[in-house]
Amino acid sequence: DAMVIQNPRYQVTQFGKPVTLSCSQTLNHNVMYWYQQKSSQAPKLLFHYYDKDFNNEADTPDNFQSRRPNTSFCFLDIRSPGLGDAAMYLCATSRARDRTETFGAGTRLSVL
Amino acid sequence: GENVEQHPSTLSVQEGDSAVIKCTYSDSASNYFPWYKQELGKRPQLIIDIRSNVGEKKDQRIAVTLNKTAKHFSLHITETQPEDSAVYFCAALGGGTSYGKLTFGQGTILTVHP
Repeated sequence: DAMVIQNPRYQVTQFGKPVTLSCSQTLNHNVMYWYQQKSSQAPKLLFHYYDKDFNNEADTPDNFQSRRPNTSFCFLDIRSPGLGDAAMYLCATSRARDRTETFGAGTRLSVL
Repeated sequence: GENVEQHPSTLSVQEGDSAVIKCTYSDSASNYFPWYKQELGKRPQLIIDIRSNVGEKKDQRIAVTLNKTAKHFSLHITETQPEDSAVYFCAALGGGTSYGKLTFGQGTILTVHP
């Protein structure tokens, strides 16, 4: 009964090779978020969608982009992964911006 | 924007003892304060939350207190058990220009020794 599903759980890519991570939700939540979490650190917000309205954090590198083709799906594209992009990527959803966020299990990205 | 400070960074207790983790925030417009527990390699899980119109909330062994005047909130775990061992993150949901953005504290590694 997973409600926020991330695929794949583990992704290995090569330095500079584009990679796409996916997130789907069955909660019909309006807001979807992407976080980057490195070891022993707090999740860092990259961007979020309120419906189709895209909101980028000021310090999110241009290398990271996102797409939300419909309510249920959201994608994180890393155009040219560097070694420093190796991390856990967490997707989260909420019904509205002032509501509890529900996290997916995450995708652990390794860059070789 | 919002800034959340969390202390301590590590906390070690004996089974049965209480554990307290404290957070301060900077944005007086923040109005929602969740606490997440994250076990190694797993997703953050909401364990308790509090809104700004409430001073205290309790759920079995877990309680959260909020002091809006001082802009700090705390997590209290009583009768700790080894399965409480995890990383705990506080967070504040911003208002104003940070509306809807969840800012996390740095995390506390809690270890409960049997």
